[in-house]
Amino acid sequence: EVQLVESGGGLVQPGRSLRLSCAASGFTFDDYAMHWVRQAPGRGLEWVSSLSWKGDNIVYADSVKGRFTISRDNAKNSLYLQMNSLRPEDTALYYCAKDWGGSSWCIQHWGQGTLVTVSS
Amino acid sequence: SYVLTQPPSVSVAPGQTARITCGGDKIGGKTVHWHQQKPGQAPVLVVHDDSDRPSGIPERFSGSNSGNTATLIISRVEAGDEADYYCQVWDISSDHVVFGGGSKLTVL
Repeated sequence: EVQLVESGGGLVQPGRSLRLSCAASGFTFDDYAMHWVRQAPGRGLEWVSSLSWKGDNIVYADSVKGRFTISRDNAKNSLYLQMNSLRPEDTALYYCAKDWGGSSWCIQHWGQGTLVTVSS
Repeated sequence: SYVLTQPPSVSVAPGQTARITCGGDKIGGKTVHWHQQKPGQAPVLVVHDDSDRPSGIPERFSGSNSGNTATLIISRVEAGDEADYYCQVWDISSDHVVFGGGSKLTVL
């Protein structure tokens, strides 16, 4: 059974940094692309970033480009999101997600999310 | 950037068929996926590659995609199908994942 467990969320002041982690199990982690998706309170899903299985293709939403960095450690079956220069509008539940592995990005499995609150 | 447009809400009586649309420029040339999100829960993939179902998803869920509109079709709707539904594509020109704004399905 695929399991994705996010951690690292919390309350942080504007301008500060936070690092999210996602522990993956139940599948061969280094065979699949991975994603981060967020959901602000009462709002819809917003894609944040994606990373290919090998880590050689990385893409970001315009809203986080230059501030967030996605990475993975295949030896530890883990995905990360380094978030710098945080803004109040970054407040959201952040989901780690596994790709289907097909010819286009398709989110197949979702974690339960970790909440990030940016406020002074 | 590529935009997907969904109706904010769709209502249907139990036992009827619900159709939730997802509009986008030439979306028929893209592959569309659908995610279901019940209140307080993480999303779940219910349809991938326009019309295929992941294992464990009831046959009542299906989809179509042509022209400028993709559609999630839920047959014999049940109270337990009440949820927000999001369409999702991969925009090859930007290499970005794109979500629609979501549609809230209400079972009357």
